[in-house]
Amino acid sequence: QKEVEQNSGPLSVPEGAIASLNCTYSDRGSQSFFWYRQYSGKSPELIMSIYSNGDKEDGRFTAQLNKASQYVSLLIRDSQPSDSATYLCAVTGTASKLTFGTGTRLQVTL
Amino acid sequence: ETGVTQTPRHLVMGMTNKKSLKCEQHLGHNAMYWYKQSAKKPLELMFVYNFKEQTENNSVPSRFSPECPNSSHLFLHLHTLQPEDSALYLCASSHVDRSYEQYFGPGTRLTVT
Repeated sequence: QKEVEQNSGPLSVPEGAIASLNCTYSDRGSQSFFWYRQYSGKSPELIMSIYSNGDKEDGRFTAQLNKASQYVSLLIRDSQPSDSATYLCAVTGTASKLTFGTGTRLQVTL
Repeated sequence: ETGVTQTPRHLVMGMTNKKSLKCEQHLGHNAMYWYKQSAKKPLELMFVYNFKEQTENNSVPSRFSPECPNSSHLFLHLHTLQPEDSALYLCASSHVDRSYEQYFGPGTRLTVT
């Protein structure tokens, strides 16, 4: 079983719609959860962090965490073409090591 | 310069060559990391340095040799690589006590022929 699992996509959403990106993790002791955005040919950039169950909102982005289900998601409201990128889910486990998923490629279409 | 810089941005080398990748951070961080990113695979952590001391070697083959002379500079020395080592090599830095908040450099695209 992969430690951090994401659907590779591509996930295609029309401009203005809500994009929903999902991630599951295997380490039940995981403490902290992150979303990184990586544009094609660029390096990853931290965009959201969440540490407790529930929702955390930052502008058009909302991170959702459900530790009981070992599930974390990222919602992007009013999706823009500039949101087209690969979104990496990352989790710190019991060893405090940051473990990444393979990423989900998001395409926002006009 | 600001942030995390890496040189060279692209590198093509033969299997018998020796080359080095360089990373420099200008963020005042005290932890630095090397990652390997291959197509369709998750980012693989290779090495971690905290206060220029190596704290993690993630079972990396000895043909990859890291060096961290100070908290701002990190090198990855390469020798007798294999074609499957072709990948994007990313350097990152962070504060030691905020290791989850890593800032990445632009990466070196390495091709081994």
